[in-house]
Amino acid sequence: NAGVTQTPKFQVLKTGQSMTLQCAQDMNHEYMSWYRQDPGMGLRLIHYSVGAGITDQGEVPNGYNVSRSTTEDFPLRLLSAAPSQTSVYFCASSYSWGLNSPLHFGNGTRLTVT
Amino acid sequence: GDSVTQMEGPVTLSEEAFLTINCTYTATGYPSLFWYVQYPGEGLQLLLKATKADDKGSNKGFEATYRKETTSFHLEKGSVQVSDSAVYFCALSGRQETSGSRLTFGEGTQLTVNP
Repeated sequence: NAGVTQTPKFQVLKTGQSMTLQCAQDMNHEYMSWYRQDPGMGLRLIHYSVGAGITDQGEVPNGYNVSRSTTEDFPLRLLSAAPSQTSVYFCASSYSWGLNSPLHFGNGTRLTVT
Repeated sequence: GDSVTQMEGPVTLSEEAFLTINCTYTATGYPSLFWYVQYPGEGLQLLLKATKADDKGSNKGFEATYRKETTSFHLEKGSVQVSDSAVYFCALSGRQETSGSRLTFGEGTQLTVNP
């Protein structure tokens, strides 16, 4: 059982470049989300989705786009990378978006923007 | 808006010592409260949760009690092991239906246990 799979594990970008962080889950979870983790700030929600075709903004959405064309995949796109986007990114999913469905996290993508 | 404040880290303890990591929160209504743990190189895992006042969550020897009167959810363990070394995150989820699985996290506390 793979759970939540994130690729790549590490990435270095130059300012202005674009890239897509991949996230896939094989648990048939309805809810998927993206967080960024920065020192001293914990995790902050970027975007989330409550089902295929439905996405919404979280706490820090600027500079990021998402789409949810299938239940399994929830890619995060950086259209024009900035040094402020240097962070560790986590994808998380849960069976439903109710309170009794714990989040399952991927192992993260460490992104550096120079 | 909702917020979570954790005690500043890092915390360093000897094996078999008593652990307390403080967590207080600010939220409207009656949130659910969680502790997540992150081992080196891994994603976060749910450690325990409590969904209403006076509930006690427990798992792997860790405990936390939902205290509405002090808006706190402190994590405790009576005897820590080297394998407990990790980063611990306190989090809350609002009661409103639209909040769903959206969690607000604290800044995390790094725990190191020495043999």
